[in-house]
Amino acid sequence: QKEVEQNSGPLSVPEGAIASLNCTYSDRGSQSFFWYRQYSGKSPELIMFIYSNGDKEDGRFTAQLNKASQYVSLLIRDSQPSDSATYLCAVRAYAGKSTFGDGTTLTVKP
Amino acid sequence: EAQVTQNPRYLITVTGKKLTVTCSQNMNHEYMSWYRQDPGLGLRQIYYSMNVEVTDKGDVPEGYKVSRKEKRNFPLILESPSPNQTSLYFCASSLSGEIHEQYFGPGTRLTVT
Repeated sequence: QKEVEQNSGPLSVPEGAIASLNCTYSDRGSQSFFWYRQYSGKSPELIMFIYSNGDKEDGRFTAQLNKASQYVSLLIRDSQPSDSATYLCAVRAYAGKSTFGDGTTLTVKP
Repeated sequence: EAQVTQNPRYLITVTGKKLTVTCSQNMNHEYMSWYRQDPGLGLRQIYYSMNVEVTDKGDVPEGYKVSRKEKRNFPLILESPSPNQTSLYFCASSLSGEIHEQYFGPGTRLTVT
């Protein structure tokens, strides 16, 4: 079992729809959770981070964390073609260790 | 401008020829890390450093070395590169190694023939 697993893609949604990206992790000691966006050949850039159970909203993005279920998700509302990218879930557990999922590729069709 | 820089951006080399990829950050971050990314895969952690003179292995350290003599620099050394080290490499830094987000360099695309 991978330490961080993301829902297999690719994911395709029409413009204006809600895109839902999911991630599960295996280490119950994980402390912080991140969503990065990565365009092809470019470096990852931070979208959201979340530390506590519940929802965290930032503009069109909402991150949800459920530590009991070891599950973190990212919702993108009113999806735009510019949101088309690969989304990486990252988990930080004990000091220094950082684990990424394989990524989910999202395509938003105009 | 706050940033992480890497050099070179692109490198083609031959098996066994030692090389160094430099990484530097100007944000006074304590933590730095190296990752490799292969097609269809996420980032895999090679080495990380919680602070100056403190380094530790990540998930895929074989064939790599690092050093952290200064806070701002964290070079990645391949003593004897092999074709299976052909990959896209990212350096990252963060305020701490526990909870803070990481800032990534632009990447170094390495090809070993």
